[in-house]
Amino acid sequence: ELKVEQNPLFLSMQEGKNYTIYCNYSTTSDRLYWYRQDPGKSLESLFVLLSNGAVKQEGRLMASLDTKARLSTLHITAAVHDLSATYFCAVDPNNDMRFGAGTRLTVKP
Amino acid sequence: EAQVTQNPRYLITVTGKKLTVTCSQNMNHEYMSWYRQDPGLGLRQIYYSMNVEVTDKGDVPEGYKVSRKEKRNFPLILESPSPNQTSLYFCASSRTLRVWEQFFGPGTRLTVL
Repeated sequence: ELKVEQNPLFLSMQEGKNYTIYCNYSTTSDRLYWYRQDPGKSLESLFVLLSNGAVKQEGRLMASLDTKARLSTLHITAAVHDLSATYFCAVDPNNDMRFGAGTRLTVKP
Repeated sequence: EAQVTQNPRYLITVTGKKLTVTCSQNMNHEYMSWYRQDPGLGLRQIYYSMNVEVTDKGDVPEGYKVSRKEKRNFPLILESPSPNQTSLYFCASSRTLRVWEQFFGPGTRLTVL
């Protein structure tokens, strides 16, 4: 059975610090998606990583994909309060999307 | 404005009373999908549709039905809701799967008593 595991599930950071969220998945997938969900809101797409070695960056967030290790990382640089949200990774090896449980990020002043 | 709409946004019902949650997108997307979100479990896919008249089961299809008669609409039907279907439901669409990101609707919070 396909499993998508994120860690940590909860992350409390201070503003200005760096941190990485990890997403492991248990079956072959050549692409991976990252989404953000603000409290009480819907999900919005952050990144679509389409190949091994893909790296995408937007603002203080950078995502990478290692398909051989079945691992994606979401790196946060110099965190700010506005980044507080829940972050989900997802894969779709068989056209059906499987999400991780999410990482709830809180950035404190 | 490009968007995915869902109705109703909130619904409280009783066990066994059939209900339909509508989903519509105005982006001419081929792929549409339904998810449920429960605390600690992330999002789990219920059904998806690659195009009109093509639907497939996701991870948790039991107790749900869908149809895709038109490209823009993808209703979720609960023939006989039960309390374990109390959840937050999201509809999503994308141009196609596997390349493009999904756009999510605002969510429908369903409570089954």
